[in-house]
Amino acid sequence: EDKVVQSPLSLVVHEGDTVTLNCSYEVTNFRSLLWYKQEKKAPTFLFMLTSSGIEKKSGRLSSILDKKELFSILNITATQTGDSAVYLCAVTNFGNEKLTFGTGTRLTIIP
Amino acid sequence: DVKVTQSSRYLVKRTGEKVFLECVQDMDHENMFWYRQDPGLGLRLIYFSYDVKMKEKGDIPEGYSVSREKKERFSLILESASTNQTSMYLCASSQNRGLRNYGYTFGSGTRLTVV
Repeated sequence: EDKVVQSPLSLVVHEGDTVTLNCSYEVTNFRSLLWYKQEKKAPTFLFMLTSSGIEKKSGRLSSILDKKELFSILNITATQTGDSAVYLCAVTNFGNEKLTFGTGTRLTIIP
Repeated sequence: DVKVTQSSRYLVKRTGEKVFLECVQDMDHENMFWYRQDPGLGLRLIYFSYDVKMKEKGDIPEGYSVSREKKERFSLILESASTNQTSMYLCASSQNRGLRNYGYTFGSGTRLTVV
């Protein structure tokens, strides 16, 4: 059974700080790892990672995958209050179209 | 942009009632999914469907059923609602082998309370 573990479960930092969120996984026939941001409603897509060592970047957010050690990190630099959300990590495998999610990291940015 | 619409944002039902949660997507996606989201447990897959009239059990199908009579619509049915089914329910859709679409597109969720 595929498994995704995220850490920390919650994190509170001050505006302007840099944060690193972690995601480790166990997947048979790994295909991809995805990061989502969830505020009050639907999760919204951030990144999809399929290859090790290639950083994906979007503004102040970046993410990288290590397929040997089976983990990914999501970095947010110069955090803002709008970054407050639950960040979800999920994986897919080549057997089907399902996403298996971690429990998420709740990030709170204090002004 | 792909749009996934869930019919109700908030719903309150009584124990034992039959409950229908509706989900419609407008981009001709083959795959549709129902998850529930609970604090500390994350998103857990209830049922999914790869095509019209096809359905497969996810990780927690007990107490639920689904219907997919048309490609754009995927319904989740609680045959006899119980208080432990109080949760946030999220519908999602994706294309076949949908890496180009960056995974799923989610609906806004239905927060169901069973009293």
